[in-house]
Amino acid sequence: AQSVTQLDSQVPVFEEAPVELRCNYSSSVSVYLFWYVQYPNQGLQLLLKYLSGSTLVKGINGFEAEFNKSQTSFHLRKPSVHISDTAEYFCAVSGYGGSQGNLIFGKGTKLSVKP
Amino acid sequence: EPEVTQTPSHQVTQMGQEVILRCVPISNHLYFYWYRQILGQKVEFLVSFYNNEISEKSEIFDDQFSVERPDGSNFTLKIRSTKLEDSAMYFCASSRQRVEAFFGQGTRLTVV
Repeated sequence: AQSVTQLDSQVPVFEEAPVELRCNYSSSVSVYLFWYVQYPNQGLQLLLKYLSGSTLVKGINGFEAEFNKSQTSFHLRKPSVHISDTAEYFCAVSGYGGSQGNLIFGKGTKLSVKP
Repeated sequence: EPEVTQTPSHQVTQMGQEVILRCVPISNHLYFYWYRQILGQKVEFLVSFYNNEISEKSEIFDDQFSVERPDGSNFTLKIRSTKLEDSAMYFCASSRQRVEAFFGQGTRLTVV
């Protein structure tokens, strides 16, 4: 079974500042990792994913994340945030094999970008 | 750009009533999912569906729930006798290769 921990429930940051949203996972099998974003009153949009290969993955809207197997982490980063990045961000994991495709989500991190 | 479409966007129902939530997945996708998000809580997996049958379900997905793909385009979630605790946002998702899921906008179900 897999689980996901997002260490920060809320992250306030000023516009143009860098941000890191933390995500740790646990799993007894190899995993795929994802970050989704949910804007107010909208659905979940895929930001980026790690399936295999390079541990640094780039996504939409200037976000990137680094897979660290030894630390079981997949932190999301952006060097300079905009007001429009205000949203809730969810880290998710799915395992190989029978449960592949069934996502386990973290509790989410609300990013609030202030002018 | 193709997208997953869910209807209605908001449904209010009385406790004990049956509800059907509808989804139109992306047309060439093969795997279909339902998730729910109770207000203030994490998004939870309910069920996955492939080749016209359930491939996996969570412990939340009890006998009150059922899924169906009645034709080539729709994918539905039925709750037979709704309870107050079924109030949540329900998300449909689909994927082509069971790796990257695309989500709909969600249906907010309110049970009164």
